[in-house]
Amino acid sequence: AQSVTQPDIHITVSEGASLELRCNYSYGATPYLFWYVQSPGQGLQLLLKYFSGDTLVQGIKGFEAEFKRSQSSFNLRKPSVHWSDAAEYFCAVETGRRALTFGSGTRLQVQP
Amino acid sequence: GAGVSQSPSNKVTEKGKDVELRCDPISGHTALYWYRQSLGQGLEFLIYFQGNSAPDKSGLPSDRFSAERTGGSVSTLTIQRTQQEDSAVYLCASSLAGTGVAQPQHFGDGTRLSIL
Repeated sequence: AQSVTQPDIHITVSEGASLELRCNYSYGATPYLFWYVQSPGQGLQLLLKYFSGDTLVQGIKGFEAEFKRSQSSFNLRKPSVHWSDAAEYFCAVETGRRALTFGSGTRLQVQP
Repeated sequence: GAGVSQSPSNKVTEKGKDVELRCDPISGHTALYWYRQSLGQGLEFLIYFQGNSAPDKSGLPSDRFSAERTGGSVSTLTIQRTQQEDSAVYLCASSLAGTGVAQPQHFGDGTRLSIL
């Protein structure tokens, strides 16, 4: 069965600093990969997705992610974090049965 | 157009009561999903509807949980004889039908269910 690991439960960065959130997946083939963000009391907002092709994908709010098949990873990055980026971030995979399998999430705190 | 709409946004009920949670998907989205988000279990898939096909119920945790989707649009998730462990946020998502390629799922804001 597929699984998703987000090794960092909580990350704190200073405003303006760069950010990388880690995501590793376990699946026999290349899955469809997603990053979602969740602000308190709200649902999940799609940041970006990888289906095929270029392994570096651009998303909304200045985020990007890189798919690395050799490392089974799909890390999320942002060059300069804004205070409004504080939220919880979820990596997810879809492996053909349509339902998403989510990681446990990484809570991002941004210091002024 | 409007996003995925869920109601109620909050529901408090006593243990043993039945509850119904409603989801109104994005117009034109034929796929609809229910997930549960709880502190101990994270985000879990519950059930998936695609058009007129039989739903994928493989994520439902017990026979107290059921869901319907009427007319290919609005869906209702029903929990019978609620237990305290049912306390969670129930999220609904919808997407276009995939034609060999996954379609991103769009989520509602969820219903926060609290069982006293």
